[in-house]
Amino acid sequence: AQSVSQHNHHVILSEAASLELGCNYSYGGTVNLFWYVQYPGQHLQLLLKYFSGDPLVKGIKGFEAEFIKSKFSFNLRKPSVQWSDTAEYFCAVNANYQLIWGAGTKLIIKP
Amino acid sequence: DTGVSQDPRHKITKRGQNVTFRCDPISEHNRLYWYRQTLGQGPEFLTYFQNEAQLEKSRLLSDRFSAERPKGSFSTLEIQRTEQGDSAMYLCASSSTGGETEAFFGQGTRLTVV
Repeated sequence: AQSVSQHNHHVILSEAASLELGCNYSYGGTVNLFWYVQYPGQHLQLLLKYFSGDPLVKGIKGFEAEFIKSKFSFNLRKPSVQWSDTAEYFCAVNANYQLIWGAGTKLIIKP
Repeated sequence: DTGVSQDPRHKITKRGQNVTFRCDPISEHNRLYWYRQTLGQGPEFLTYFQNEAQLEKSRLLSDRFSAERPKGSFSTLEIQRTEQGDSAMYLCASSSTGGETEAFFGQGTRLTVV
């Protein structure tokens, strides 16, 4: 069965620290990969996506993610986080028409 | 606002009552999805429409749940004889067809069954 695993449920960082959130998936076919963000009290928003081409994709707000096919991974990175990045981050894989979701990582940035 | 809209935003109901939620997708999107999200979890797929056709329904979904999209535009999700375990955020998303497409989410309906 398809699944998505996010390694950390909670991450606490200070402002200006670097961020890497892990995401691994299990699916044998061609995948489309997504990172969504949910700010407190708001709806899920797309941060970035990978469909094909350059495995290093850049998203909004300085985020980027790298698709490593051999590792079935799609880790999210940001070189210097800000307090406003406090949110919950979800990795998702498009398997046919369904999005299979990870459990999410709550990121708290200390000012 | 031309995004996905859901109504109501919050619903409190007594156990055993029926509830119905509405979703209005982005107008040009022909795919519509319903998800359920509980605290500490990612969204869980419930069902999916392409235009008015319900193409897939999660095996995990009880037969107390039913969804419709009668004209291929808005959709409704009904839960009959609600149980406390139905308390969750119900999310609607829409997307267009085509190779590189993403889902756009509404703000959700938070259901509390007391």
